[in-house]
Amino acid sequence: GIQVEQSPPDLILQEGANSTLRCNFSDSVNNLQWFHQNPWGQLINLFYIPSGTKQNGRLSATTVATERYSLLYISSSQTTDSGVYFCAVGLPGTYKYIFGTGTRLKVLA
Amino acid sequence: NAGVTQTPKFRVLKTGQSMTLLCAQDMNHEYMYWYRQDPGMGLRLIHYSVGEGTTAKGEVPDGYNVSRLKKQNFLLGLESAAPSQTSVYFCASTNPGQDYEQYFGPGTRLTVT
Repeated sequence: GIQVEQSPPDLILQEGANSTLRCNFSDSVNNLQWFHQNPWGQLINLFYIPSGTKQNGRLSATTVATERYSLLYISSSQTTDSGVYFCAVGLPGTYKYIFGTGTRLKVLA
Repeated sequence: NAGVTQTPKFRVLKTGQSMTLLCAQDMNHEYMYWYRQDPGMGLRLIHYSVGEGTTAKGEVPDGYNVSRLKKQNFLLGLESAAPSQTSVYFCASTNPGQDYEQYFGPGTRLTVT
């Protein structure tokens, strides 16, 4: 089955720093989402981005489906950005999503 | 508009007991999903439904049953709980068409002793 790997697994930043999180997938996908799981466990939609680039405030994402990866950029990080970031890919011909392994981010004040 | 809600928020079961988790959505979504999340891991799909009256198995379906009698509700049942089912359970919903953006409920934390 498809493998979805995220890197780095853990990241510690000083407040104000920028970061790039990566999601690699081993096969073709028909959609891709990025989520932030906050320290209380809530899953928050960040981007639905099967291809191309999107921006929302300090966050932006790029998916290059032909090369099987997606990137999430966080600029001017804040302590509230702490938590775990997941990508999830949709499998063609199905209605299923497969989640990546996650990147655990800690932003220090 | 409450989005996706889950009942209960917390539950402790003894091994062998049964229970049902309820997921409800008010967005008129066709597709609904049940996931489990174990400590330090991503979410794994248990079962899903692509419409009222339909269900299908995901990655880790063993030990669980589901029902979708009404479009807005998706029930997850544990007939005989085991300690290995201790986890946080998330429900999600989405609509086919232009996109399949998933919306998640707040989760149910289940402990089986």
